[in-house]
Amino acid sequence: EDKVVQSPLSLVVHEGDTVTLNCSYEVTNFRSLLWYKQEKKAPTFLFMLTSSGIEKKSGRLSSILDKKELSSILNITATQTGDSAIYLCAGTDRGSTLGRLYFGRGTQLTVWP
Amino acid sequence: DAGITQSPRHKVTETGTPVTLRCHQTENHRYMYWYRQDPGHGLRLIHYSYGVKDTDKGEVSDGYSVSRSKTEDFLLTLESATSSQTSVYFCAISEPPGLAARTDTQYFGPGTRLTVL
Repeated sequence: EDKVVQSPLSLVVHEGDTVTLNCSYEVTNFRSLLWYKQEKKAPTFLFMLTSSGIEKKSGRLSSILDKKELSSILNITATQTGDSAIYLCAGTDRGSTLGRLYFGRGTQLTVWP
Repeated sequence: DAGITQSPRHKVTETGTPVTLRCHQTENHRYMYWYRQDPGHGLRLIHYSYGVKDTDKGEVSDGYSVSRSKTEDFLLTLESATSSQTSVYFCAISEPPGLAARTDTQYFGPGTRLTVL
């Protein structure tokens, strides 16, 4: 069964809209949650969250972690066509010596002009 | 961007032939990973390495083998390719997992698109 579940699986919006992507996780001994953006190439790192309630921001993108609800959201404000991508969420396990990332299936975001 | 390259970037091969994909890094990171990405499945771990000659299996390792003779190179071999191995393959690197969560971040190479006919 999936340890990390993302929703929605796909989303179509118009430029200027604000979107919220969701990630829930069931990782034993949770340590961190990571967000990646994937265009037609390699996933690129966006954020890492380890503490609940602390918001990470980078320009129009922000993310927050809720350890109580075992979830995270990624917000994108004033979307642009360049935001079109797959957004991946991954959780890590404190107990893992591998440092393994458990990935969700991703949310495909399409931003129309 | 992390200094990670993969070769080849695209390959078409026939069922039953051996295939080797290469990942090369210039970051001197000890940990290296091979993932495959398929529609509806996200990224799945095939094999990983935690040092030269130290490797172990991931969740989808059947039909794959790996080797790491140098810190900078991690090879993925399909001994006898099958159509189910048609996929996009990504290599990733990270620092050794430690007390600091920052070491959890993995950096990905550009990927290899493999088609097995």
